[in-house]
Amino acid sequence: GAVVSQHPSWVICKSGTSVKIECRSLDFQATTMFWYRQFPKQSLMLMATSNEGSKATYEQGVEKDKFLINHASLTLSTLTVTSAHPEDSSFYICSAPALAGGGTDTQYFGPGTRLTVL
Amino acid sequence: GENVEQHPSTLSVQEGDSAVIKCTYSDSASNYFPWYKQELGKGPQLIIDIRSNVGEKKDQRIAVTLNKTAKHFSLHITETQPEDSAVYFCAARTSTSYGKLTFGQGTILTVHP
Repeated sequence: GAVVSQHPSWVICKSGTSVKIECRSLDFQATTMFWYRQFPKQSLMLMATSNEGSKATYEQGVEKDKFLINHASLTLSTLTVTSAHPEDSSFYICSAPALAGGGTDTQYFGPGTRLTVL
Repeated sequence: GENVEQHPSTLSVQEGDSAVIKCTYSDSASNYFPWYKQELGKGPQLIIDIRSNVGEKKDQRIAVTLNKTAKHFSLHITETQPEDSAVYFCAARTSTSYGKLTFGQGTILTVHP
């Protein structure tokens, strides 16, 4: 299947600083990518849809000024957590749809980034 | 919007037994149903998926069935092995959701050797 990578795999930062997380589609192009957040022992919560060449679409309740998304190219989307606070500590995962057989798309996930804000 | 309910939340089986996880969805327009396996500290891995024009799909020890009338779909794992232990998520997507998946709550599967 298609491969999605994330960098870094984990990051620790001080409260008030900003952190950037990269999501890359390695062997396919993705005009759309999705960013999820997952708290321990919970399901994935969609934060936003990243669109190449246009603004991201945020889910209800997600602060767009806090979680900045930039889809710079067909293989790269970045999520920047601005002025991070301890409550932003979570597991952030991106995904991207890739065409499977028959022209239909399947969504592949990155390995996730563990963010800890002290 | 779409709502996906997943049961059970935890499932414990002996090695070699079968495991079944069930999901129901609310939006009759949903047409794509993937299942993901997530190991601790890792991203979800697609293990099997099914589209609404198919009633059943099988891949070795894993199978998924779909009942569109009842709006539910199930994951079947046969001959379970300890390495099958993980959290399993079902999801649903509609043709009008711009690719967005709605996830179930997850099932923690433990396979005892």
